[in-house]
Amino acid sequence: DIQMTQSPSSLSASVGDRVTITCRTSQSISSYFNWYQQKPGKAPKVLIYAASSLQSGVPSRFSGSGSGTDFTLTIASLQPEDFATYYCQQSYISPYTFGQGTKLEIK
Amino acid sequence: QVQLVQSGSELKKPGASVKVSCKASGYTFTSHTMNWVRQAPGQGLEWMGWINTNTGNPTYAQGFTGRFVFSLDTSVSTAYLQISYLKAEDTAVYYCARYSVVRGVIVFDYWGQGTLVTVSS
Repeated sequence: DIQMTQSPSSLSASVGDRVTITCRTSQSISSYFNWYQQKPGKAPKVLIYAASSLQSGVPSRFSGSGSGTDFTLTIASLQPEDFATYYCQQSYISPYTFGQGTKLEIK
Repeated sequence: QVQLVQSGSELKKPGASVKVSCKASGYTFTSHTMNWVRQAPGQGLEWMGWINTNTGNPTYAQGFTGRFVFSLDTSVSTAYLQISYLKAEDTAVYYCARYSVVRGVIVFDYWGQGTLVTVSS
């Protein structure tokens, strides 16, 4: 199985900050990679698919980059509604493993 | 609009069974494979497997064989997850998630609201 190493596991930041979350995979997966956001008590929601494509309706302050084994999610200017947990996922090969999550908290 | 609506929370005793439903609307049910994802309390997301909504053929991730069964009723656009011989460690929120292929990449683009299954004596 492909292992996902997501960092940091938690992060404190302020409204307006630029934030970066990273995910490394245990083998190369090209761009078969997605980012999800989950708010407490809610289902995950896809933000970025194919490593860098913004899902329809997602604000442009979210961006994704990377390919191969190293991927990054950047939030350009944090808004209050962005405080949530973020998960990476590889969709290169089954099982479609997720990272352990990054909890983004208000400083 | 696409919606996946899951059945409500369940409280079960160890050894019992539970069947969670996921009713799809707003798209052709048989055009998209359905996945199941588990989230234990305070934990991350764990992919359990999928069911091909065209053929009914399920695929289970390691750790979800034997007691877990995925099934369908295409006449009502509904997918089911049944768990038998429940254990305390099965306590979790279970999500169904639709699978789409966009730009050649599999993405879980719509999710149900989740069903909390609590196993306690």
